Amino acid sequence: DADVTQTPRNRITKTGKRIMLECSQTKGHDRMYWYRQDPGLGLRLIYYSFDVKDINKGEISDGYSVSRQAQAKFSLSLESAIPNQTALYFCATSGAGRGQPQHFGDGTRLSIL
Amino acid sequence: ILNVEQSPQSLHVQEGDSTNFTCSFPSSNFYALHWYRWETAKSPEALFVMTLNGDEKKKGRISATLNTKEGYSYLYIKGSQPEDSATYLCAFTIGSGGATNKLIFGTGTLLAVQP
Repeated sequence: DADVTQTPRNRITKTGKRIMLECSQTKGHDRMYWYRQDPGLGLRLIYYSFDVKDINKGEISDGYSVSRQAQAKFSLSLESAIPNQTALYFCATSGAGRGQPQHFGDGTRLSIL
Repeated sequence: ILNVEQSPQSLHVQEGDSTNFTCSFPSSNFYALHWYRWETAKSPEALFVMTLNGDEKKKGRISATLNTKEGYSYLYIKGSQPEDSATYLCAFTIGSGGATNKLIFGTGTLLAVQP
């Protein structure tokens, strides 16, 4: 089983709909992240959480919200989806030390029509 | 604005060739430099995390070096194989203002190895 699981893997929806992307992890990490990837751009940070009571905006948080339901779960919501939020979304986790890598889920491909 | 530059954008080599890529990043407040390997339809996978100037890391045929004073890192692949075909991502973090572990990614170098 994957250490970082994202659901759904693919989603097609319409403009204005509310969408939730879910992420769960079995690595026991406190730190969790949501990124989006667009063609020609690097992965960009949307939100991150360093523990259950800590939520922080990343560089592109407008139009998104998150919830850290437990140490193992971090969900991303699009309250009213718009076409330019069509992208590949990744969840990641990491430990807290300086040399800790991030561990990524398999991604959610989201298309908004 | 913090920015990571990777070059080249893409690279086509023959099986057996050795190759290298460059990652450039701001040298002030350096905290850590990450390299990830990202195969099509899979998730990015960590190769190396380097934190000290002069660090050199190796995993099989892949190695990386770090120069924090001038703000660059090199990734080397010796004797490329078709299974090395992937996008190689570089990312760095700074160590001030609570930004640690927030990665800033480059756009990657796409490597295609022809059999």
